Amino acid sequence: DIQMTQSPSTLSASVGDRVTITCRASQSISSWLAWYQQKPGKAPKLLIYKASSLESGVPSRFSGSGSGTEFTLTISSLQPDDFATYYCQQYNSYSLFGGGTKVEIK
Amino acid sequence: EVQLVESGGGVVRPGGSLRLSCAASGFTFDDYGMSWVRQAPGKGLEWVSGINWNGGSTGYADSVKGRFTISRDNAKNSLYLQMNSLRAEDTALYHCARSYYCSSTSCLVGAFDIWGQGTMVTVSS
Repeated sequence: DIQMTQSPSTLSASVGDRVTITCRASQSISSWLAWYQQKPGKAPKLLIYKASSLESGVPSRFSGSGSGTEFTLTISSLQPDDFATYYCQQYNSYSLFGGGTKVEIK
Repeated sequence: EVQLVESGGGVVRPGGSLRLSCAASGFTFDDYGMSWVRQAPGKGLEWVSGINWNGGSTGYADSVKGRFTISRDNAKNSLYLQMNSLRAEDTALYHCARSYYCSSTSCLVGAFDIWGQGTMVTVSS
């Protein structure tokens, strides 16, 4: 079975910081990886699909990269609205989410 | 407006059953695969089950295989999850989600572009 390891689990950052979150798959998932943002009490919101494709309406400060087993989500300049929890999701073999990364205010 | 609305959650005793429903509107339901994703209180997201556009292909997480059954009625624009032999660890908010960007033509699971707000299932004695 594929395992998804997301790091860090918590990240403290300031407005304007460049933020990077990593997701590793235990075996190759090609580029079948998505990233989501979730705020408390809300459903997740799709940010990135197919590892690096930006979902319509998502700000360009969000970007994704990687293929195979290692992937990153980058926020180029953290904004107040970006403090949230982020999840990766593989959809190469059924589906599995990473454990999540909470981005907190430093 | 594209929308998914879940219903059917509630409190059930261990070993009991529950059937969740998800009503879709604002899009052509039978063009898409659909999934159920759950989130236990204070925990992360867990994919539970997926189904392709015509119900001909289904998949389940190991944690629910043999206990849960996913189905759909395209004439009613509805998705269902029949949950049997419920356990305390099944307590969670259950979301339905639309697969939009898929890894295969069958599209059993993809990246989820539309989510419902969820229905809460509590398994407790």
